[in-house]
Amino acid sequence: LAKTTQPISMDSYEGQEVNITCSHNNIATNDYITWYQQFPSQGPRFIIQGYKTKVTNEVASLFIPADRKSSTLSLPRVSLSDTAVYYCLVGDIGGNAGNMLTFGGGTRLMVKP
Amino acid sequence: DSGVTQTPKHLITATGQRVTLRCSPRSGDLSVYWYQQSLDQGLQFLIQYYNGEERAKGNILERFSAQQFPDLHSELNLSSLELGDSALYFCASSKGPGLPDSPLHFGNGTRLTVT
Repeated sequence: LAKTTQPISMDSYEGQEVNITCSHNNIATNDYITWYQQFPSQGPRFIIQGYKTKVTNEVASLFIPADRKSSTLSLPRVSLSDTAVYYCLVGDIGGNAGNMLTFGGGTRLMVKP
Repeated sequence: DSGVTQTPKHLITATGQRVTLRCSPRSGDLSVYWYQQSLDQGLQFLIQYYNGEERAKGNILERFSAQQFPDLHSELNLSSLELGDSALYFCASSKGPGLPDSPLHFGNGTRLTVT
């Protein structure tokens, strides 16, 4: 499982766009990039997943450059309810035994009024 | 609602005791994963089962064990409990045997307090 590095924390204001970048320099060919959101005392929630270029859904966009060594989660027009911890997870689709499936430290996003 | 059900929601017990945490995966999901999250810490992967068989093992203590039953629900057994085992224990499920052909769907956890 590729090791990931994210900023520990970020602050933003309501209505702004927030971009959280994750570095994964040793990403493997088969690896997908998945982002999760976690509120206090709740289980993480799947946000978005991608392999290359750009993916967009109803809540976020995911930008992946050609070399795939990083990815950026973009949250448009954040609100107070987007205050949470965001995790980037990189892993292969092969489902090989021994896949550690360990989350990194995540990014704590604080949205202010 | 993720569709993953964990029981109980809260558990308070004493050191040295044994507890069992239960997880029912989403309908159709064959993989179950267990994670531990201590206060202000990240999610530590413990173990994964796929269709009844152990698939991957993380930093799971020898005092901890798990199994997945034929109906695909899973149980995590924690024995000889210590104060440091106090944490949120999450269960997640996915369709396939590994990561991201299908994302993980998490339950809301069991909060274990060891006194």
